[in-house]
Amino acid sequence: SQKIEQNSEALNIQEGKTATLTCNYTNYSPAYLQWYRQDPGRGPVFLLLIRENEKEKRKERLKVTFDTTLKQSLFHITASQPADSATYLCALESTGGGNKLTFGTGTQLKVEL
Amino acid sequence: KAGVTQTPRYLIKTRGQQVTLSCSPISGHRSVSWYQQTPGQGLQFLFEYFSETQRNKGNFPGRFSGRQFSNSRSEMNVSTLELGDSALYLCASSFGGVQSYEQYFGPGTRLTVT
Repeated sequence: SQKIEQNSEALNIQEGKTATLTCNYTNYSPAYLQWYRQDPGRGPVFLLLIRENEKEKRKERLKVTFDTTLKQSLFHITASQPADSATYLCALESTGGGNKLTFGTGTQLKVEL
Repeated sequence: KAGVTQTPRYLIKTRGQQVTLSCSPISGHRSVSWYQQTPGQGLQFLFEYFSETQRNKGNFPGRFSGRQFSNSRSEMNVSTLELGDSALYLCASSFGGVQSYEQYFGPGTRLTVT
């Protein structure tokens, strides 16, 4: 069955450093992969979408890579700030298309001063 | 543009009761998806509605149902509530084309079943 894995352990980094989060998937051949940010008690917020034929995508301090051979996506936040502290979720389209997304369990990022 | 709104924000129900949650998508969005989020299972897809038709369905029992109206607003209903239904219920809207577009989530409804 389709499976998405994200680091369940929280990631603590120092302000100004680059945070790198990993999303691995199995039994999938998704055409898209998305990254969301979720703050406590709030709904997820869309950050980036990357297609299977795109190796890398950037938006301001964010960068996402998508390796369909390794079945892995990396999410980078450069020059991290305490305001970047949140849970980051990766999501893949499920079989059946449409807007059925399967989410990973998320990685909690904490940026310390 | 107004975001996705969900009502009510908080709800406390007793086992065996039923509940109806409401979601108003972003103007122009025709797809509404519902998700259940719990600490143990994370975000799980319930179903998606597009143009008043259920387009996708997750692996939830038949007690969970939904519908969409002509103005794209959506409701989900849970009948015969169980303690395990306590969760944050999130709805998300998108344009709804055949490709997987980004989804815009509402703030959620926190349901507590006692």
